[in-house]
Amino acid sequence: NAGVTQTPKFQVLKTGQSMTLQCAQDMNHNSMYWYRQDPGMGLRLIYYSASEGTTDKGEVPNGYNVSRLNKREFSLRLESAAPSQTSVYFCASSERGTSGSGHTQYFGPGTRLTVL
Amino acid sequence: GENVEQHPSTLSVQEGDSAVIKCTYSDSASNYFPWYKQELGKRPQLIIDIRSNVGEKKDQRIAVTLNKTAKHFSLHITETQPEDSAVYFCAPRGESNYQLIWGAGTKLIIKP
Repeated sequence: NAGVTQTPKFQVLKTGQSMTLQCAQDMNHNSMYWYRQDPGMGLRLIYYSASEGTTDKGEVPNGYNVSRLNKREFSLRLESAAPSQTSVYFCASSERGTSGSGHTQYFGPGTRLTVL
Repeated sequence: GENVEQHPSTLSVQEGDSAVIKCTYSDSASNYFPWYKQELGKRPQLIIDIRSNVGEKKDQRIAVTLNKTAKHFSLHITETQPEDSAVYFCAPRGESNYQLIWGAGTKLIIKP
C-alpha cells in the first residue's frame, strides 16, 4: 500500500516551459487535492476534485490546470511556467470532504519545482 | 475569505515541558479544526482534529481545545520529546467541505 505517490520529486524549468505533475493514490479515496507550499507559509489549495469526474478551483488556481484522469490519478499542469510558480507542490487525497468521517487528508511526498 | 493566524511563529521549550500553539480564524461558519505536523523535508500529517460541537479532544500527550465564541482553537502538547520538533499547522475548514485554510505554521523546537 503505497498511499499517495507523486512524480517527479524534483524539476527545474525555464520560464515559458510546460510540464505535468503526476499524482496517484491507492486508498480508493474519492477526493484529491493539489497544494503549493512556499517558504515560511502554509499550504495553499490550487485545485481539488471532490469525486471522479469533477474538479474545482481552490485559492490560487491561476496558471494551472488539472485533470482527474480516473479515481486513482489527479494531474496538475503548468502550461507556461513562471518564476512565481517556484514552490513545493503536494498532492493529497481523502475518502471524502470534511463533513463526516473519512475526512483526513493524506499527502504525497511533494515535488520541488524551480522555474528559472 | 477565511483569515487564519497562528501564534507564536516559533516556540522553543525544554524537553519535558508543555507547548501551546494558538490558531485564530475569522469565518464563524467553520466547523472542522485540524492540526497537521510537518517534519523537516517531509509531508504534512494530521495529528488531531476537532469539530465545532466538541470543546476538547485528547490523544495521549496531544490535545486540542476549541473556543467557538472567540474563534480560536489551540494545540497542547505535554511532556514534550525531541520527536515533537516540527512545524505545526492549523487548517480550519474554508468555504466548502473540501477547502482547508492553512495557517503560516509554528516551528516547535525542543531543547534537550
